[in-house]
Amino acid sequence: KQEVTQIPAALSVPEGENLVLNCSFTDSAIYNLQWFRQDPGKGLTSLLLIQSSQREQTSGRLNASLDKSSGRSTLYIAASQPGDSATYLCAVYNTDKLIFGTGTRLQVFP
Amino acid sequence: DTAVSQTPKYLVTQMGNDKSIKCEQNLGHDTMYWYKQDSKKFLKIMFSYNNKELIINETVPNRFSPKSPDKAHLNLHINSLELGDSAVYFCASSQVGGLEYFGPGTRLTVT
Repeated sequence: KQEVTQIPAALSVPEGENLVLNCSFTDSAIYNLQWFRQDPGKGLTSLLLIQSSQREQTSGRLNASLDKSSGRSTLYIAASQPGDSATYLCAVYNTDKLIFGTGTRLQVFP
Repeated sequence: DTAVSQTPKYLVTQMGNDKSIKCEQNLGHDTMYWYKQDSKKFLKIMFSYNNKELIINETVPNRFSPKSPDKAHLNLHINSLELGDSAVYFCASSQVGGLEYFGPGTRLTVT
């Protein structure tokens, strides 16, 4: 049974720092891995999708890497801003559905 | 132009009532989903439909009945509401195996 874990559960950093959020999964037979952000009281916003055959994807200040063999993905956020404050969720696509991690709650203070 | 929309945004009702949540997507996706986010913010899939056919039913009580009248709509009907049904329900859509797009959520409170 696939389990997805995110570390840390919460993170508070000053503006301008570079950040790494971690995601690990127990079953490496994934089709893809997706990163989302969720603002308080809102829905999820898709950030990045990495296919199982890819090693990384970049979008603006975000870079996500995937190491399927070790069951890990990282989301790198460069030059963090207060507007990046949100909960970040990773999810792995297994066979026919997304299985979500527990989330990392990020706060970036000015 | 909203990609995935849900109504209502908030729903407050008493135990034992029956309620429905509607979802529509205008992205031309083949697959639609219902997720439940509990009080600890954990998000878990409930159902998925592909081209109006039920693909996934994640051991959800049969008080929950999804209905897909066409590819662009997936509604969720809940009978005999219980306190434990209180949560945020999200609709989503995607092409198979593609990026999933989520609606804004429906916060259901059962009193």
